[in-house]
Formats: sequence, C-alpha cells, structure tokens
Amino acid sequence: EDQVTQSPEALRLQEGESSSLNCSYTVSGLRGLFWYRQDPGKGPEFLFTLYSAGEEKEKERLKATLTKKESFLHITAPKPEDSATYLCAVWASGTYKYIFGTGTRLKVLA
Amino acid sequence: DGGITQSPKYLFRKEGQNVTLSCEQNLNHDAMYWYRQDPGQGLRLIYYSQIVNDFQKGDIAEGYSVSREKKESFPLTVTSAQKNPTAFYLCASSRGLFTDTQYFGPGTRLTVL
Repeated sequence: EDQVTQSPEALRLQEGESSSLNCSYTVSGLRGLFWYRQDPGKGPEFLFTLYSAGEEKEKERLKATLTKKESFLHITAPKPEDSATYLCAVWASGTYKYIFGTGTRLKVLA
Repeated sequence: DGGITQSPKYLFRKEGQNVTLSCEQNLNHDAMYWYRQDPGQGLRLIYYSQIVNDFQKGDIAEGYSVSREKKESFPLTVTSAQKNPTAFYLCASSRGLFTDTQYFGPGTRLTVL
C-alpha cells in the first residue's frame, strides 16, 4: 500500500538552530514529491516539487532534497516566522491522487 | 493576482441542513479538487474535476456533492447524509489532473451545531 510518513510529528527549535524534517514514502513508483507550508487556519502554501532522486531545491532558509526512499526539508538558521506545519505529498505511478503525510508542526522560539 | 478563493471562511450548520462551500480560481487551471483536513490526519480527497461538466469521486465522497458548470468554479455541497462534517475544507487546483503542482485556497472551517 502506498504510504507517506512524516517525522517528527512536532519539533521545537531555538532561533538559529538548524534542523531537518523527514518525509519517508513507500510507493510503487514516484512521479513527484511536494512540500507545503501550512499556517494555522490557512490553506497549504506550495514550497517545492522534486521529481527524481538526487534533486535539490532551495528557497531562503529552506532546502529540500530527495532520495529513493525519503525527502528532507532542511531549515537553516530558522526564525520564529518559520513556525508552521510542513506537509509532504507524494504523487505515485499508477494512482490517480496525491498521498499526503500528516505533517510536522515546527515551532521556532525567539 | 491569480489565486484561489474560498468562501465563507467559517460556516456553521445545523443538523439536517445542506450547506454549500464556494471555490473560485483565476489561474486558468483545468483541474480542481476538494480535500478534507482533520486533526492528526493527512488531507483526504473528496471530489475532483478535470474539465467542465465532469467530476469524479475521491476517497471520501459519501455525503458530499459537487458541480463544475464553469472552469473557474467548483462548489462543494455538504449534505445531511454526511455524518461527521465538522472539518477544515480545502479547495485546490492544478493545470493538469494529478500531473502538476496543486495550489490551495485559504480553506473553509465548517462546524456542525
């Protein structure tokens, strides 16, 4: 069964303390992996799309990487405004839909 | 600015009532989707549409209905048959059906009184 697992469920960081969020997936064939940021009470905001193992994308303090089994969202020197829930979604071959993980709630303390 | 709008932001429903959630996009996207988000769960697909006058059931379509009379609009009706409708509802769109990045609206929070 196609599955997406995000870890940790929640993460508290001090401002400036770099870390990584994980999205591991078990799918029959990966066609794309998406990262979104979601603030409380709002819709997900698109961050990155990754299509193949080895691909990396960056945006400000965020960097997303992809392997054959997982993706990492690296946050460098985070600021309080980076606090949000980060969602991962996988688009798998042979399926008509995206599979979403349950997200990682990130809290960055000043 | 192009984007997706949803209304209302908050909606309250009495038991036995049908309510309709609005979703409009001006991104010129062909595909549109409705998801439901509950605490501790991933987004679950309710309905999706590839073109005007065509739509398909997702994983949890029971108790919901949709229409797609215009490319820009994809309203969702939560019927009285939906036993647990309290949730956060998200509309999304993409250029192609499940072939491209999905962009989301701001969401509607539905509460049953």
